[in-house]
Amino acid sequence: GESVGLHLPTLSVQEGDNSIINCAYSNSASDYFIWYKQESGKGPQFIIDIRSNMDKRQGQRVTVLLNKTVKHLSLQIAATQPGDSAVYFCAERFQGAQKLVFGQGTRLTINP
Amino acid sequence: EADIYQTPRYLVIGTGKKITLECSQTMGHDKMYWYQQDPGMELHLIHYSYGVNSTEKGDLSSESTVSRIRTEHFPLTLESARPSHTSQYLCASSDPGTGGGYGYTFGSGTRLTVV
Repeated sequence: GESVGLHLPTLSVQEGDNSIINCAYSNSASDYFIWYKQESGKGPQFIIDIRSNMDKRQGQRVTVLLNKTVKHLSLQIAATQPGDSAVYFCAERFQGAQKLVFGQGTRLTINP
Repeated sequence: EADIYQTPRYLVIGTGKKITLECSQTMGHDKMYWYQQDPGMELHLIHYSYGVNSTEKGDLSSESTVSRIRTEHFPLTLESARPSHTSQYLCASSDPGTGGGYGYTFGSGTRLTVV
């Protein structure tokens, strides 16, 4: 079946650098995407979402980019901080569906 | 602060015991979900509910059962725990009708260890 997948399971960046976490999806009918952050021992927390009629959406230090041509979603984190260390999940909603489909997750490690 | 609560946070229990993991939300959300997750790994949907008296099995087969007698409460029960049930269990809720998008609000999880 179609599912959301992540290109890299782990990513290490230097503190202060920008991070880019990627996500590939295969269902062209998906119309809504979300990024979640999960810190150790906690449940996933909402970071930012984007609908399929948008290409870019910005939040505080985070930007989500959606490229529907190649079915690619990315999360950019500016000036990463130690508190950004976590596992990041992307999720998609198939148009008309009730549930979200989650990707595998990328572990982001911030090096001092 | 979280409006969805899971108890207990940690549970160590012997094989064969019956356990119930509690999940409650105060947001009035109709839709609730249970996920099973090994640390840092994928989220696997095991049960969901779209309202009172509505429950469905998820994508991952599970020996657990759920009930939804009240909107705010979605407990998960294992009749006879086994070591293979050792995992983290995450509860979530959503309500697209509120205009907040289709995102889920997650609880902090229950880390279950069966010995």
